[in-house]
Amino acid sequence: GDSVTQTEGQVTVSESKSLIINCTYSATSIGYPNLFWYVRYPGEGLQLLLKVITAGQKGSSRGFEATYNKEATSFHLQKASVQESDSAVYYCALSPRGMGYKLTFGTGTSLLVDP
Amino acid sequence: EAAVTQSPRNKVAVTGGKVTLSCNQTNNHNNMYWYRQDTGHGLRLIHYSYGAGSTEKGDIPDGYKASRPSQENFSLILELATPSQTSVYFCASGEWGGGGQNTLYFGAGTRLSVL
Repeated sequence: GDSVTQTEGQVTVSESKSLIINCTYSATSIGYPNLFWYVRYPGEGLQLLLKVITAGQKGSSRGFEATYNKEATSFHLQKASVQESDSAVYYCALSPRGMGYKLTFGTGTSLLVDP
Repeated sequence: EAAVTQSPRNKVAVTGGKVTLSCNQTNNHNNMYWYRQDTGHGLRLIHYSYGAGSTEKGDIPDGYKASRPSQENFSLILELATPSQTSVYFCASGEWGGGGQNTLYFGAGTRLSVL
């Protein structure tokens, strides 16, 4: 079946420094999957951060970016300068094209930004 | 503002007891989902629904039932709770977008402990 592997555990970054959270995927269905980053802030439910449904394209939101690299099967999340308010848990996810109900999530990466 | 509300937020149950987790959405989305998250795992799909009266099995349905009596409400039922069902449960509603993908809107989660 499909799988998503992302940076495990907790990542600590000092405020104003750059961030990268790695995400690679394996999709068994025909066609390129849709790729997502969700974020969960403390005490809240997960919310969509960004999505890319076309291979080769880049998604961006709130200063975060991720590029759909179909050759490397990767979808790394990057931010040039993090803020304390970015502290949250980040989840990479995929769904097969045309099967939007079938989201597969990574285990989540907890980001702690040191002020 | 559109929202997904779960109740209760925390629940302690006894082994063999019946547990009902409730979810209400004001998004008017047809699709709704129940996931659980455990340490070391991504969110895993238990049941989902395409609309009122429908329920479908997800990836880990054993030991769970679901009920969708209306567009707004989707319940997860543990008829005979077991300690292995101790977890954090998330409900979500889904909005269809391009590429046949669903953007999910999550509730804040229910932390269930089965003793």
